[in-house]
Order: sequence, then C-alpha cells, then structure tokens
Amino acid sequence: KNEVEQSPQNLTAQEGEFITINCSYSVGISALHWLQQHPGGGIVSLFMLSSGKKKHGRLIATINIQEKHSSLHITASHPRDSAVYICAAEGYGGSQGNLIFGKGTKLSVKP
Amino acid sequence: DTGVSQDPRHKITKRGQNVTFRCDPISEHNRLYWYRQTLGQGPEFLTYFQNEAQLEKSRLLSDRFSAERPKGSFSTLEIQRTEQGDSAMYLCASSYTDELQPQHFGDGTRLSIL
Repeated sequence: KNEVEQSPQNLTAQEGEFITINCSYSVGISALHWLQQHPGGGIVSLFMLSSGKKKHGRLIATINIQEKHSSLHITASHPRDSAVYICAAEGYGGSQGNLIFGKGTKLSVKP
Repeated sequence: DTGVSQDPRHKITKRGQNVTFRCDPISEHNRLYWYRQTLGQGPEFLTYFQNEAQLEKSRLLSDRFSAERPKGSFSTLEIQRTEQGDSAMYLCASSYTDELQPQHFGDGTRLSIL
C-alpha cells in the first residue's frame, strides 16, 4: 500500500462542474501539499496545508488531520484546469522537506 | 524571482553513456531537491541539499548516481553507465529552509535511454 493514495486516478468533467479530488496518507506529516502538473512536466505548488482549509480563487483545499485525509476542490471548472493534480505528504524533522507523492489525478475538463 | 531552471530540457543518449544535468535554483533558496518521475507515476525523492551539504539520499539513488552542489548555488546530477530504467523526467526544486515553505519546481530534464 502506498503511503499517499489519491482518487480518482482519472476524472473527466464538463465545464462548470464542481470537482473533488481526494488524498489519503498513512504517514505523520508536517504539511500536505497540492501540486498541479501540466503536459511537458512543469509542476506548480497550489497549496500547502497543515490544518483546516485554504482558498485561492476557484480552488479550495481542506485537510482532516485526525482522518489523515485531504481534498482539493475546483469550483466552476474550466478547460484550462485540465492537468494532473498531485498531493504530497511532507514529513517531520529529518524528513521535513522530503515529499512523498501520490500518483496524481488526471483531470480533463470538456468545454 | 527568475524561477528554477534546468538544463538540458531533453537528453537522449545510448545505454552505457554518462549524463549530467544541471539545476539553478531560486537564488535565495537554501534547499535544493532532486526528484525522478516515470510515466504515469508521481515524482519520487532522490536527494536534497541544504546549502552545499547533501543531507539525505534515497535508496533509489544507486552508486551510479551522484549529485553535487559545490558552492551552495547550482547543483548537478550525474548518472554513470546509464541503463534503460533510468529513462524518466528528472525534476529539481528549491525552497527556503524555514518550516512549511513551498517548493518551487523547474520544468525538468527528460532523459531517454536508447
């Protein structure tokens, strides 16, 4: 079992739909990261969470530390949101900064 | 902030050859990370530096792999005697040392072994 699991692996949505991507982790963390990767490889950091909820534009990230679960929501989805969304767990102490990545969720938003 | 840059963007080489990749982090960032990503998978941690010190290496990093950051600025990742399984995207990221700092990623170097 991977230490960081994402679901779904693939997601197709119609423009305007509300999207949820889930991430579960089994390790202790100092932070949970959500990243966006476009074709060609470039990775952009979207959120870094240690508790609660963060919002940036149409993106919302939440985390439940007790349940070791995080979600990324996209409201009013748009074709330009099409990308791979990756969650990553950051450990404590000596492991701080070292990210354990999920396999990613490939999102395709159709116009 | 000019971002993290990696060179080259693509590298095609024959099995058995040595390759070297370069990463230039954001100038104020003390930490520099190397990751490897194969098709359809999330990135995997390889190693990281704080300034010039290499603080951790993954078990994925065999003896054929070596990374340096001699002056605490740019870093190089060398793979000796490349194998088919080394074909992957090699990603570099940098961050501040302080707790809970986001990592800034380069666009990666895609390595293809013929």
